[in-house]
Amino acid sequence: EVQLLESGGGLVQPGGSLRLSCAASGFTFSNYVMTWVRQAPGKGLEWVSSISSSGSTTYYADSVKGRFTISRDNSKNTLYLQLNSLRAQDTAVYYCAKDDSNSVAFCDYWGQGTLVTVSS
Amino acid sequence: DIQMTQSPSTLSTSIGDRVTITCRASQSISTWLAWYQQKPGKAPKVLIYKASTLESGVPSRFSGSGSGTEFTLTISSLQPDDFATYYCQQYNDYSPAFGQGTKVEIK
Repeated sequence: EVQLLESGGGLVQPGGSLRLSCAASGFTFSNYVMTWVRQAPGKGLEWVSSISSSGSTTYYADSVKGRFTISRDNSKNTLYLQLNSLRAQDTAVYYCAKDDSNSVAFCDYWGQGTLVTVSS
Repeated sequence: DIQMTQSPSTLSTSIGDRVTITCRASQSISTWLAWYQQKPGKAPKVLIYKASTLESGVPSRFSGSGSGTEFTLTISSLQPDDFATYYCQQYNDYSPAFGQGTKVEIK
């Protein structure tokens, strides 16, 4: 059974940093693109970032480019998202998701999400 | 970047009704489109991918169609479990944008 378990969310001040983690199990982690999607309170889904199966190629939404860094450790079956220079508008539930293939695709499995709140 | 526009934003409907949601892309995405269902407090769940392929385990009352820039999600006979928010997502390029969502609510 595929499982994705996010952690690392919490309350952080504007300008602060946070590192999200996503522990994956139930599939061959190193074979798939992985993605972060966020959802601000009461709003829709926003694609944030994706990373290739090897970790060599990364993709970012313009809204987070230069502030967020996606990475993965295939030996630990773990996906990461480093969030820097956080703003109030980054407040959201952040979901880790598995893409359907080793290329950017739709997400066939999702974690339960971790809440990031940016506030003073 | 490719923009995705869904309509309507909200749909008030009844059990047994046929429901159609439209998603338009700002440029052609072939059939690289997925539909998701999301219930309050839960993660999204994929219903359809490649515009018309039903994900395993999804009831057959859900169907998808379209190609290029115009797509539809149809629920043939709405069931109580189907009241939720539905999102389309294009994955034609490396910036896989979502539509803004369509909330299906009880009339």
